[in-house]
Amino acid sequence: AQTVTQSQPEMSVQEAETVTLSCTYDTSESDYYLFWYKQPPSRQMILVIRQEAYKQQNATENRFSVNFQKAAKSFSLKISDSQLGDAAMYFCAYRSMEYGNKLVFGAGTILRVKS
Amino acid sequence: DTAVSQTPKYLVTQMGNDKSIKCEQNLGHDTMYWYKQDSKKFLKIMFSYNNKELIINETVPNRFSPKSPDKAHLNLHINSLELGDSAVYFCASSQGAKAGRIQETQYFGPGTRLLVL
Repeated sequence: AQTVTQSQPEMSVQEAETVTLSCTYDTSESDYYLFWYKQPPSRQMILVIRQEAYKQQNATENRFSVNFQKAAKSFSLKISDSQLGDAAMYFCAYRSMEYGNKLVFGAGTILRVKS
Repeated sequence: DTAVSQTPKYLVTQMGNDKSIKCEQNLGHDTMYWYKQDSKKFLKIMFSYNNKELIINETVPNRFSPKSPDKAHLNLHINSLELGDSAVYFCASSQGAKAGRIQETQYFGPGTRLLVL
C-alpha cells in the first residue's frame, strides 16, 4: 500500500518570502499522480498543483511550483512571494493509476504567513 | 455555480440516531468519493463509486451505507451514530477513465461537519 509522509507539522514564512513544504511517498508503481491541496480555515479543499509521474518536467502554477524527484520519491511544494492568503493547511496526496482508486493523503502541514 | 455541493454543512445529532449527508456534482464526472477528516485533520477514503457502481469500500463499518441514485449523486447514510463518527465528511468527484488515461483530479465539496453528542 502507498503511504505519504509530510514531516513538517507546521511552517512559517514572512510575507513576500519563499517557503518549501516537504512530501515523500512510498510506492512500487512507476506511473501515478501527485497533488498538493490547500485547506484554508473555511475547510474547502482546493487543488493547488498536480504532477504526473511520467512527466519529468516539474509542474508550475503561478507562484506555486514543485520539485519532483521520482527516484527519491520526493514531491516538495515551493511557494514564492508568499501572501497572507496562502496561510492554510497543505496536504500532499498520491493517486495510483489503478482505475477508480483513491487519494492517499499525508498528515498535512500548517503554513503560517507573517506580515 | 457550485461544482460539488453537500448538504447539510453542519449536522449535530445524538448518539444512536440515523442521519444522511447528500452530495451532488454538476461536472458530468463519472466517479464520486466520500472521505472522512478526523479531529487531527487526517483525510481518509471511505468509498468510491463509478457510474453508480461501488468500486472502493475501505473497511468502513457497515453502519455507513453509500447510495448512488445516479452518477451525479452520492449520498452517505449513517445508522446508529457513535461519538467516534464525529468528523468532517467530504464528497469529491473526478472524470474517471477518458481516452485510455484516467483523468483523476478530484474536486471536493465544502464538507459536512458532523458532531455526535
